[in-house]
Amino acid sequence: NAGVTQTPKFRVLKTGQSMTLLCAQDMNHEYMYWYRQDPGMGLRLIHYSVGEGTTAKGEVPDGYNVSRLKKQNFLLGLESAAPSQTSVYFCASSYDAGLSTGELFFGEGSRLTVL
Amino acid sequence: LAKTTQPISMDSYEGQEVNITCSHNNIATNDYITWYQQFPSQGPRFIIQGYKTKVTNEVASLFIPADRKSSTLSLPRVSLSDTAVYYCLVGAHLGTGGFKTIFGAGTRLFVKA
Repeated sequence: NAGVTQTPKFRVLKTGQSMTLLCAQDMNHEYMYWYRQDPGMGLRLIHYSVGEGTTAKGEVPDGYNVSRLKKQNFLLGLESAAPSQTSVYFCASSYDAGLSTGELFFGEGSRLTVL
Repeated sequence: LAKTTQPISMDSYEGQEVNITCSHNNIATNDYITWYQQFPSQGPRFIIQGYKTKVTNEVASLFIPADRKSSTLSLPRVSLSDTAVYYCLVGAHLGTGGFKTIFGAGTRLFVKA
């Protein structure tokens, strides 16, 4: 039982390049999320999904796109990377906990540097 | 929009009880309060969640006053392995209204021998 797995764990990009971060969960969770973590700012929600084939914007969605073609996978794409997107990205998943945020299960993070 | 404020850092000694308070003055009626622990190079890990009053599990207690404008995470008898960053989160699933999570900037707890 691996939980939430993110790939790659590290990546360096040049400004304008594109890339995709992959998140996979094996807990059969309905909900999946992408966060970014920057020093002194906690975690901020980029996009989320409440089920296969659905996506929605979070707090900081600009410059990112997502897809959830399979229940267990949630992809985060950067079409044209910018230095401001240098960050640590965390994927999380959770079961349906009604109105509460439930327990978020996080991956180990993907450190992205944009030069 | 709710904003969460917590102390930047705290020091403690092994065996002591540690209380970390989070301020969330603009908390909404639907919001739940959750605390996470994070070690270096790892993702945050769930500690405890509550809506009001007191919640206790095997590792921590969460105290929420009646006005819900703050919350306090209590860690009994900390050990060196509790050295980590602790995050307060306010948020809710709002059905068609979306999903909201507001994380605090984190409190770095350092436990000394």
